[in-house]
Amino acid sequence: DTGVSQDPRHKITKRGQNVTFRCDPISEHNRLYWYRQTLGQGPEFLTYFQNEAQLEKSRLLSDRFSAERPKGSFSTLEIQRTEQGDSAMYLCASSLMGTGEDEQFFGPGTRLTVL
Amino acid sequence: GQNIDQPTEMTATEGAIVQINCTYQTSGFNGLFWYQQHAGEAPTFLSYNVLDGLEEKGRFSSFLSRSKGYSYLLLKELQMKDSASYLCAVSDSNYQLIWGAGTKLIIKP
Repeated sequence: DTGVSQDPRHKITKRGQNVTFRCDPISEHNRLYWYRQTLGQGPEFLTYFQNEAQLEKSRLLSDRFSAERPKGSFSTLEIQRTEQGDSAMYLCASSLMGTGEDEQFFGPGTRLTVL
Repeated sequence: GQNIDQPTEMTATEGAIVQINCTYQTSGFNGLFWYQQHAGEAPTFLSYNVLDGLEEKGRFSSFLSRSKGYSYLLLKELQMKDSASYLCAVSDSNYQLIWGAGTKLIIKP
């Protein structure tokens, strides 16, 4: 299967701990997006990359969140000093060019629970 | 500000037709997407509209009116497996997707 993959699928952590998630996009896709989704809501944009460059980061995103895409392939999202409000599904998506009808393909998500 | 509005929940009967509306106000417009999301799963692409009019794809159709900032998703011959959330998303001037909160569609036999 050459779709978007995410690891881990589930993560339970205690408040104050750091967590890191990984996303492997579809191989030929240049754009990679991170979203957060809570129950009954649509995906909330966190950040996106064009190849290895991080082009935009949501103003709502605190400094505890950081993302990298060092070689323009896989990406990592790190949350430092987790809080209970960080509990959510973290979705990664990729697209070929990021223009017009260029649909985003989503991974299965990482469900984070902060105790 | 940017805003996408769609109903929170709708109920329909198996075999019937349902229309899910979406209104939007965004900074720029580069198309409107509809995605389907089953509970606990990731969103999957259904349709894309950038010009006014109706796009038909099997049992699903999507309509767009740019002047009214309005779109709808029409689902025909409803099946139980169509029970899901339907997300409306607009691509803004930077090709960023602005997402609605989704419409939960409940299909009853």
